Amino acid sequence: GDSVTQMEGPVTLSEEAFLTINCTYTATGYPSLFWYVQYPGEGLQLLLKATKADDKGSNKGFEATYRKETTSFHLEKGSVQVSDSAVYFCALSDWGQAGTALIFGKGTTLSVSS
Amino acid sequence: DGGITQSPKYLFRKEGQNVTLSCEQNLNHDAMYWYRQDPGQGLRLIYYSQIVNDFQKGDIAEGYSVSREKKESFPLTVTSAQKNPTAFYLCASSKGQGSYEQYFGPGTRLTVT
Repeated sequence: GDSVTQMEGPVTLSEEAFLTINCTYTATGYPSLFWYVQYPGEGLQLLLKATKADDKGSNKGFEATYRKETTSFHLEKGSVQVSDSAVYFCALSDWGQAGTALIFGKGTTLSVSS
Repeated sequence: DGGITQSPKYLFRKEGQNVTLSCEQNLNHDAMYWYRQDPGQGLRLIYYSQIVNDFQKGDIAEGYSVSREKKESFPLTVTSAQKNPTAFYLCASSKGQGSYEQYFGPGTRLTVT
């Protein structure tokens, strides 16, 4: 079945460092891909998305490009801030099955220090 | 403001008691979902509903039940049959109908002792 694999955390960075969180997926068809962020004790917030190959999603300085050839959707940010400390989840949708659940990776914890 | 509300934020129950978690949305979304989150395990799907009066089991439905009598509401009951109910529970909704992105509520942390 479809699945998402994220790099293991935690990821610990200093403020202004470059961030990459790897995400690869296995899917039949052409899923949409998402990154969600979860701050401590809260629900998930949609960070960015991409719906087809070569699409780039971006928001708040974060970017991810849908790479069909490598089945990847890596999250990047050029300069992280302390406020970016959170858990990041990569997710995919079942192609052609709107209204069905997303499939999530296990999450990657990011900790940024000043 | 449109959004998803879950109540309460924290819930404590004794073992052997059923408990119902509330989830309400005013986004006019057709689809609603319940996920369970445990440390280091990501999100696991409990139940989902694509339309009123219809719902499907997810990956870990045993020991849980749901209803979808109104478009806005999708309550989750954690029954005494659920062997390990202590967890963080997240409700989400989506438009359905060709739209895949989901919007999440703030979650309910259930502790059963």
